[in-house]
Amino acid sequence: DQQVKQNSPSLSVQEGRISILNCDYTNSMFDYFLWYKKYPAEGPTFLISISSIKDKNEDGRFTVFLNKSAKHLSLHIVPSQPGDSAVYFCAASNPLEAGANNLFFGTGTRLTVIP
Amino acid sequence: EAGVAQSPRYKIIEKRQSVAFWCNPISGHATLYWYQQILGQGPKLLIQFQNNGVVDDSQLPKDRFSAERLKGVDSTLKIQPAKLEDSAVYLCASSLDRGGYNEQFFGPGTRLTVL
Repeated sequence: DQQVKQNSPSLSVQEGRISILNCDYTNSMFDYFLWYKKYPAEGPTFLISISSIKDKNEDGRFTVFLNKSAKHLSLHIVPSQPGDSAVYFCAASNPLEAGANNLFFGTGTRLTVIP
Repeated sequence: EAGVAQSPRYKIIEKRQSVAFWCNPISGHATLYWYQQILGQGPKLLIQFQNNGVVDDSQLPKDRFSAERLKGVDSTLKIQPAKLEDSAVYLCASSLDRGGYNEQFFGPGTRLTVL
């Protein structure tokens, strides 16, 4: 059962515009959410995270929004740059479970930023 | 700071053969994870170690997969015998163990193809 879902497998955006990547989850016990970025032939690298006690976290061009009532989070990239082209994974953690730090990943969204 | 090292980077075997993967985590990271990422899906946790003890192996197919982390540093993941559906990228990650959520750092992965 997929507890973290990314329903858009791909997204294309013009350079300089906003990229919005979406993620939905089903487990209400998740209380920490992360976005990872993955280039081909490399492992995922951490991008930004948000705790369930917040609804927004910003780091430079990257902002993550969390809507707990809708069990939805989104990643905004503004302005988008060609170097942002990668696969983005949404992940969630329930630190209260045994094996705290376990991450449940979505299926990923491939972002292409067109110069 | 050196990142998580994995070898080999690529491996091709025939079904029913055996294969082993090696991971060297970031120095000082007590927690080590093995993930399986099948094409088109997000990484799925197979096993989590804290030092040399297993924290969670609920998703590890124990009839064919085994993992160990001797001396709480390096780890090996073995598949014996391999099946076609084991074709995937096997990712190793490590993290500190400080309480709460600890960021996971991923290695480049080993791409396994089972023919």
